[in-house]
Amino acid sequence: EDKVVQSPLSLVVHEGDTVTLNCSYEVTNFRSLLWYKQEKKAPTFLFMLTSSGIEKKSGRLSSILDKKELFSILNITATQTGDSAIYLCAVDGDNAGNMLTFGGGTRLMVKP
Amino acid sequence: GAGVSQTPSNKVTEKGKYVELRCDPISGHTALYWYRQSLGQGPEFLIYFQGTGAADDSGLPNDRFFAVRPEGSVSTLKIQRTERGDSAVYLCASSLTRAPPLHFGNGTRLTVT
Repeated sequence: EDKVVQSPLSLVVHEGDTVTLNCSYEVTNFRSLLWYKQEKKAPTFLFMLTSSGIEKKSGRLSSILDKKELFSILNITATQTGDSAIYLCAVDGDNAGNMLTFGGGTRLMVKP
Repeated sequence: GAGVSQTPSNKVTEKGKYVELRCDPISGHTALYWYRQSLGQGPEFLIYFQGTGAADDSGLPNDRFFAVRPEGSVSTLKIQRTERGDSAVYLCASSLTRAPPLHFGNGTRLTVT
């Protein structure tokens, strides 16, 4: 059974801080790892990672994957209050349903 | 439509009642997924449709849960004899093909009293 564990469970920082969110996984026949941001409602897609060591970047957010050690990190630099959300990590393994297996999320709160 | 649309946004029902939750995916997306998210947890897979057929329903918790997608577009998740433990946010997602990323709707918050 595929498994995704995220840490920390929650995090409180001040604006301008840099944060690193962690995601470790166990999956049969790994295909990709995805990061989503969930504010009040729909999770919104951030990154999809398939190869080790290649950083994906979008503005102040970046992410990298280590397929040998089975983890990924999501970095957010110069945090803003609008970054406050739950960050979800999910893996796509070789399953018939092609569904994603999600971790429990990291709740990030950025204070002014 | 521009995004995945789910209705209603909130549903309160009494224990034992029947409910239907609707999902309208992004136009042209053949793959449709239902997930359930309990408070403080990540989304848990329920069922996946490819076109009209349920390709994988292994996440449905029991036979009170059923979903259809008769014309390969709109899907309805049906829950019979609701229980308080069914209270959660039910998320629908779609994707263009079988591959991610999935695009999620805003969910239906179901409360069973």
